[in-house]
Amino acid sequence: AQTVTQSQPEMSVQEAETVTLSCTYDTSENNYYLFWYKQPPSRQMILVIRQEAYKQQNATENRFSVNFQKAAKSFSLKISDSQLGDTAMYFCALRRINNDMRFGAGTRLTVKP
Amino acid sequence: KAGVTQTPRYLIKTRGQQVTLSCSPISGHRSVSWYQQTPGQGLQFLFEYFSETQRNKGNFPGRFSGRQFSNSRSEMNVSTLELGDSALYLCASSDGDTTTDTQYFGPGTRLTVL
Repeated sequence: AQTVTQSQPEMSVQEAETVTLSCTYDTSENNYYLFWYKQPPSRQMILVIRQEAYKQQNATENRFSVNFQKAAKSFSLKISDSQLGDTAMYFCALRRINNDMRFGAGTRLTVKP
Repeated sequence: KAGVTQTPRYLIKTRGQQVTLSCSPISGHRSVSWYQQTPGQGLQFLFEYFSETQRNKGNFPGRFSGRQFSNSRSEMNVSTLELGDSALYLCASSDGDTTTDTQYFGPGTRLTVL
């Protein structure tokens, strides 16, 4: 089975502070890809960051970074220096080779001024 | 490059009707995937097309079908609409010929079934 769990339905953070969103997943595969997508209120899903499972180095993209723990099957997203524009639903996703993408239920993040 | 486009953006239908949604991928992308997003079920995978062939299929009834044209544009059809088909339908495209390439999403089509 391939499942993705986001245990935090809602989170909030003060502007300029740091927040971490949690994601755990389950797969029996050794090679796969993990993603964080952001869906602002306008509904357009935007890629935030991507991690290849075979790479031990954690991916970073400007203020966004991940903590990828393969053995623990954990893939958390850290947002530094939070901005009002970061307010959105954040989805964690898993894709195995030759398989469909599975999404978590999402975490609604609100950045407060 | 232009992003993924979906038409129409909003649609209202009644039960029993059928509907066709369209998706134009990013230029050069050959893979198109479709997802259904609802508040209760979240994001669920419908199917994926690559070079006009269905490569993966989710667990949806046969009323949901799709196809891809030679220019990579894709259509999704839902026949005999039910109230539960009301959802945001998202299309995503990717550029490679492996199924792990990053998907880029369109704005979605909001379907309301009355």
